[in-house]
Amino acid sequence: NAGVMQNPRHLVRRRGQEARLRCSPVKGHSHVYWYRQLPEEGLKFMVYLQKENIIDESGMPKERFSAEFPKEGPSILRIQQVVRGDSAAYFCASSPPGAAAQYFGPGTRLTVT
Amino acid sequence: KQEVTQIPAALSVPEGENLVLNCSFTDSAIYNLQWFRQDPGKGLTSLLLIQSSQREQTSGRLNASLDKSSGRSTLYIAASQPGDSATYLCAVLETSGSRLTFGEGTQLTVNP
Repeated sequence: NAGVMQNPRHLVRRRGQEARLRCSPVKGHSHVYWYRQLPEEGLKFMVYLQKENIIDESGMPKERFSAEFPKEGPSILRIQQVVRGDSAAYFCASSPPGAAAQYFGPGTRLTVT
Repeated sequence: KQEVTQIPAALSVPEGENLVLNCSFTDSAIYNLQWFRQDPGKGLTSLLLIQSSQREQTSGRLNASLDKSSGRSTLYIAASQPGDSATYLCAVLETSGSRLTFGEGTQLTVNP
């Protein structure tokens, strides 16, 4: 009975490269959320997706960041042309429909050198 | 805009002590409130979820209460153990959307 899976767990990128973070939700969960935890800061909402739809992306930076949750396969958070300020822990959560509990994955720790 | 505040920011107690962590939120229009535990370098573990219509939830040595009208929640930990040492996060789910808004957390250290 697997929980939310995220990979990679650690990712190192040089400035200007692309980072792709993957999230597989709990089986049967159709809602996926991405949050970011910057060093010494709290978790901040980024984006909420359902299968093939972005429902709320109000927490996403306007440039370089994108997210998708295709019909098949994991949700992807993509960061283009990474900068040092993107270094953070990125957490994915999933939930079934309705105002239910969100279950979090272990996170991907991105380091930009 | 919803804001969540947790007090204290850090707490150090001897083993066996009962303790209370506090969480307050500015907008009472919430669906639910969740308490999480985060160990250093790790993900979040959901501890308790209280629906907006509920007053409290209990799980083992943990008890969480919710007073929606005053915008407050408390997490009570009974007979604390060194293994309880972690950061405890409070988060609210608003009725206006599906995002969780988190507090900054309380870093708890339980000394043997």
